Amino acid sequence: LAKTTQPISMDSYEGQEVNITCSHNNIATNDYITWYQQFPSQGPRFIIQGYKTKVTNEVASLFIPADRKSSTLSLPRVSLSDTAVYYCLVGEDNTDKLIFGTGTRLQVFP
Amino acid sequence: DTGVSQDPRHKITKRGQNVTFRCDPISEHNRLYWYRQTLGQGPEFLTYFQNEAQLEKSRLLSDRFSAERPKGSFSTLEIQRTEQGDSAMYLCASSLGQGEEKLFFGSGTQLSVL
Repeated sequence: LAKTTQPISMDSYEGQEVNITCSHNNIATNDYITWYQQFPSQGPRFIIQGYKTKVTNEVASLFIPADRKSSTLSLPRVSLSDTAVYYCLVGEDNTDKLIFGTGTRLQVFP
Repeated sequence: DTGVSQDPRHKITKRGQNVTFRCDPISEHNRLYWYRQTLGQGPEFLTYFQNEAQLEKSRLLSDRFSAERPKGSFSTLEIQRTEQGDSAMYLCASSLGQGEEKLFFGSGTQLSVL
């Protein structure tokens, strides 16, 4: 069973753009890719979702290549409050399970 | 806005005791998920329901774990004969279940087994 993998941690400064990549080789054909943000002692919170190419909302962009085996969450101009753990969530092929990535701990410095 | 609610927020129990957690999803949501999260790790899939039917169950879920969603609304997760390794945050999420799976999570139940 292929894992959904992410870099363990990333550091950034306020105002910079941050790109976090998730590798999901075993993604189900028809499933979306979703990204979540999680603060300590809270449940994950939805950021953005896409199926292919590029999606943008008021807080982030999501880039998905044609083979859909990876995705990149882009956070423009991060602030201190963006310090959190970020997870991708994908459907597992041949099942109905939704599997979280390994998570990326983002630390934003002033 | 009535989001996903979980009860209790915290539970401390002694090894060998049974515990039950409750999840109330967003009212029109058909799908309900349970995840387990230990410190420093990502949420691990446990099981999910489409209405009252339990459609997937992780191999992580031993026979001591059981989940129900009797009327397709709230759900309960029971752990029998708790072990120290069961200590974790138990997260519930719900979704509309219509193609795109946008999950809304509750705040979780933090279980500590002494």
